[in-house]
Amino acid sequence: EAGVTQFPSHSVIEKGQTVTLRCDPISGHDNLYWYRRVMGKEIKFLLHFVKESKQDESGMPNNRFLAERTGGTYSTLKVQPAELEDSGVYFCASSRQGNEQFFGPGTRLTVL
Amino acid sequence: GDSVTQMEGPVTLSEEAFLTINCTYTATGYPSLFWYVQYPGEGLQLLLKATKADDKGSNKGFEATYRKETTSFHLEKGSVQVSDSAVYFCALRRKDTGRRALTFGSGTRLQVQP
Repeated sequence: EAGVTQFPSHSVIEKGQTVTLRCDPISGHDNLYWYRRVMGKEIKFLLHFVKESKQDESGMPNNRFLAERTGGTYSTLKVQPAELEDSGVYFCASSRQGNEQFFGPGTRLTVL
Repeated sequence: GDSVTQMEGPVTLSEEAFLTINCTYTATGYPSLFWYVQYPGEGLQLLLKATKADDKGSNKGFEATYRKETTSFHLEKGSVQVSDSAVYFCALRRKDTGRRALTFGSGTRLQVQP
């Protein structure tokens, strides 16, 4: 069974540009989560999808972040426009209902 | 709000040394507690968990006991190996709200030298 995959593994952009991160969950996992780790600090929750619906988006920092999960399969997280403080590692995770969350390797975002 | 506090790293040990990584938490009610491990270049993997007070989670020689009195979930291993070098994250999940979000600590990097 393939694990959670994320693309790209690393992205370097200029302040003010737009970046889109992609996450492909494990097949059959209805639950999909986004987290991020900034400056080596704690990993913080961003949002939770159940299929294509946003179940919990309480962790989204501001309206520059837009997450979608059309069709309830893969998800994208767009940052527009990117700011310096958005640099960090963005993790995606997926799970079956109520079960263990399986994490992807993360996308390292660097905003210059 | 909920929070998890871990000891600062890096922790550097020689092979076969005893490991303790401290973790304390603040949360309403009695959350489920987890330890995740991130090996270089990989995603986080669940190492062990405990869902109620006095439960002991264990896996791959690692153990942690849910201590309600001290709100702690310290990770221990009796004899570390070079292959245990990784970043370890303590985390909690509330059981009373229905939210599935994990609250993580800042991570502790472990370096085991041969």
